[in-house]
Amino acid sequence: KQEVTQIPAALSVPEGENLVLNCSFTDSAIYNLQWFRQDPGKGLTSLLLIQSSQREQTSGRLNASLDKSSGRSTLYIAASQPGDSATYLCAVLNSNSGYALNFGKGTSLLVTP
Amino acid sequence: AAGVIQSPRHLIKEKRETATLKCYPIPRHDTVYWYQQGPGQDPQFLISFYEKMQSDKGSIPDRFSAQQFSDYHSELNMSSLELGDSALYFCASSPGDSGANVLTFGAGSRLTVL
Repeated sequence: KQEVTQIPAALSVPEGENLVLNCSFTDSAIYNLQWFRQDPGKGLTSLLLIQSSQREQTSGRLNASLDKSSGRSTLYIAASQPGDSATYLCAVLNSNSGYALNFGKGTSLLVTP
Repeated sequence: AAGVIQSPRHLIKEKRETATLKCYPIPRHDTVYWYQQGPGQDPQFLISFYEKMQSDKGSIPDRFSAQQFSDYHSELNMSSLELGDSALYFCASSPGDSGANVLTFGAGSRLTVL
């Protein structure tokens, strides 16, 4: 069964810092990996999707990388802002178990002014 | 742009009652997924439908059932509700039954069982 782990569980940084969120998964047979943002009690907003054949994706201040062979992905956030405060979830879509996303437990990010 | 619409947004029920959640996918999306997120937990996959047929099944209790209708909207029916069913229920949709497609999630329906 695919296990998705996110480190750290929580992170607090001052505004303006660059930061890295980590995601690891145990089964490398994936279709893709997706990073989501979730505000408290709210829905999931897709940030970046990396297909299994890709190494990275960029959107604005966000950059996500994927190393499928080692089962790792990172989400890099440049020049963090208080509005970035949220929980960031990593989710993996396996290629050998239907089309269900396997989520990590998330990293809770707080960016202080 | 149209998003995934879920209703109701909030629902309060008593133990042993029944609840129905509805999901309206993005137009031309023919695949719908249901996820359950308990307090402080990561979302867990329940069930999915492609072209009105069940395409995958996860940790959905036998007390729950779901279906996708001819207009592609989906309903999740939950019976004999238990306290542990209190959660945020997400619906997501995608264009086609393919892992290459991005899932777009709705805002969720929060169910509270008293």
